[in-house]
Amino acid sequence: NAGVMQNPRHLVRRRGQEARLRCSPMKGHSHVYWYRQLPEEGLKFMVYLQKENIIDESGMPKERFSAEFPKEGPSILRIQQVVRGDSAAYFCASSPVAANTEAFFGQGTRLTVV
Amino acid sequence: GQQLNQSPQSMFIQEGEDVSMNCTSSSIFNTWLWYKQDPGEGPVLLIALYKAGELTSNGRLTAQFGITRKDSFLNISASIPSDVGIYFCAGHLRGSQGNLIFGKGTKLSVKP
Repeated sequence: NAGVMQNPRHLVRRRGQEARLRCSPMKGHSHVYWYRQLPEEGLKFMVYLQKENIIDESGMPKERFSAEFPKEGPSILRIQQVVRGDSAAYFCASSPVAANTEAFFGQGTRLTVV
Repeated sequence: GQQLNQSPQSMFIQEGEDVSMNCTSSSIFNTWLWYKQDPGEGPVLLIALYKAGELTSNGRLTAQFGITRKDSFLNISASIPSDVGIYFCAGHLRGSQGNLIFGKGTKLSVKP
């Protein structure tokens, strides 16, 4: 997973605050995916983005969650008015092309809502 | 939603033993990927499979893409202590736009 950079590694937020998670894909990769992992669980897909476009957000909660991948800069996953149930590890992955190819993951951001 | 059934959930083995784990689904997959995750880290790609029947090795690891495109297995030969971790299968469903479906993982413990 060398190359996919996520920050911060750990984030603590009080209930009601906003959480912003950042992901810089591997060099040359223009496809970014966000996943959420609860303890003792596998990763669950949230959203797939290309530069300036959301391709698939079928795994994203309808409220409070949003994602972007601007022309310049990292992809951002934003969670507004966080609740305790948002506490999880959030992983970003990138790939060089769409569909049916290898995806490389970052080290994740561990969000704790207190 | 679509599910991958990964088994076993956990394994406790002696160093030097071989390990086998597998994933099955009722759906057809275009790819199968096997990842290893260490505590506090992200998943690291071990092996990628793209064709039905494909058998691929990476050192002591061997994985196969099932003929029906609905299953895959991962074997680890001559296990060593650093093999400890959680192994995940993941795949791209036929027709998907790029998101991976993950199994729930196999937790491997190796006794020296």
